[in-house]
Amino acid sequence: KAGVTQTPRYLIKTRGQQVTLSCSPISGHRSVSWYQQTPGQGLQFLFEYFSETQRNKGNFPGRFSGRQFSNSRSEMNVSTLELGDSALYLCASSLNEGRGDEQYFGPGTRLTVT
Amino acid sequence: GQSLEQPSEVTAVEGAIVQINCTYQTSGFYGLSWYQQHDGGAPTFLSYNALDGLEETGRFSSFLSRSDSYGYLLLQELQMKDSASYFCAVISRGKLIFGQGTELSVKP
Repeated sequence: KAGVTQTPRYLIKTRGQQVTLSCSPISGHRSVSWYQQTPGQGLQFLFEYFSETQRNKGNFPGRFSGRQFSNSRSEMNVSTLELGDSALYLCASSLNEGRGDEQYFGPGTRLTVT
Repeated sequence: GQSLEQPSEVTAVEGAIVQINCTYQTSGFYGLSWYQQHDGGAPTFLSYNALDGLEETGRFSSFLSRSDSYGYLLLQELQMKDSASYFCAVISRGKLIFGQGTELSVKP
């Protein structure tokens, strides 16, 4: 069974631009969660989608948004990029919503904002 | 608020046993998970405890005490490949909240 895939793997953007990241979960998994990882803040929860609905949201500004499609693929968007948005963005999929017993992480998208 | 405390780094020798502790403060606690992350890699799931007690999976074991808001990850027969960061994470109100991670260095 193929793992979680994320595209692109690396991205360089300029401050003020917007970016869209994509995540394809493991086949059959309906829950997709997004995380931001930085050396200073560690792994922080952004949001979780299940059956095309946002179920939970972390403490991030409204510039961070996401969506999930009917095939469970998910995208997250960051608008008006700031230097502090430079991070590794990870998505994780799981069978069920809101459960932390086993999440499968993708390789991440490394975003650099200049 | 929600917080998790774990040591920032631990060093041990090959073949030894190491315990990584995690204390948490959170509302709506549901369970405690452990993840491993090698440099440049994605976190991978190690274990999950929803109830008090010890869960064993091969060389790794995880323990939870809900009354003490405390858990630990026990790694036995350490191997060089176990050098990585280890994160505890609590499931609270549907969100997975991670600790800052413990960097484990295994020396020969």
